[in-house]
Amino acid sequence: ETGVTQSPTHLIKTRGQQVTLRCSSQSGHNTVSWYQQALGQGPQFIFQYYREEENGRGNFPPRFSGLQFPNYSSELNVNALELDDSALYLCASSLGGLLNTEAFFGQGTRLTVV
Amino acid sequence: DAKTTQPPSMDCAEGRAANLPCNHSTISGNEYVYWYRQIHSQGPQYIIHGLKNNETNEMASLIITEDRKSSTLILPHATLRDTAVYYCIVRVAGNAGNNRKLIWGLGTSLAVNP
Repeated sequence: ETGVTQSPTHLIKTRGQQVTLRCSSQSGHNTVSWYQQALGQGPQFIFQYYREEENGRGNFPPRFSGLQFPNYSSELNVNALELDDSALYLCASSLGGLLNTEAFFGQGTRLTVV
Repeated sequence: DAKTTQPPSMDCAEGRAANLPCNHSTISGNEYVYWYRQIHSQGPQYIIHGLKNNETNEMASLIITEDRKSSTLILPHATLRDTAVYYCIVRVAGNAGNNRKLIWGLGTSLAVNP
């Protein structure tokens, strides 16, 4: 158990809809990163939040957005869902400010867009 | 693009040591080598990381060559539960607020056989 929890675990949405995924970080961790993992691929970095501000973003369109709250939990929002958005979405928490802390992952949310 | 190269698959007999190689010939002086594994459809699990010295913990050992251009993850006594995809990642150590994203390749699919 990593102490990182994601909800929901599974979700089915229709193309064009919007979805919100949630992540509770490990106690004391102030940095949350989100990744998208398509079937058979390694995770792809979406963005990262550090102390409630986005401080890094991968090659994802603006319809992928996020938030980090004062308790360091986080949300990933995806608008105008497309079929290719079907993937496992992973959240990782870590402690920013130190040189080499590892990131701990949640179990992910499996999103299916139909 | 991932900065590491790993064999796509490997087999290992249960109880034997599993040695997983990783090539990171373009690694920079301030980049650490991280290893994660992912058991089918679960979130990635942190295993170990190192900078230039060999490292050992309760899960594995990490051997980094002197020129730091390659490394080997060693699972000393592989069990069936070690069957997973193993990812080798290099990542710069950052100060507070720096982008700490992990860039993942396709990893090595390790099959531990009875």
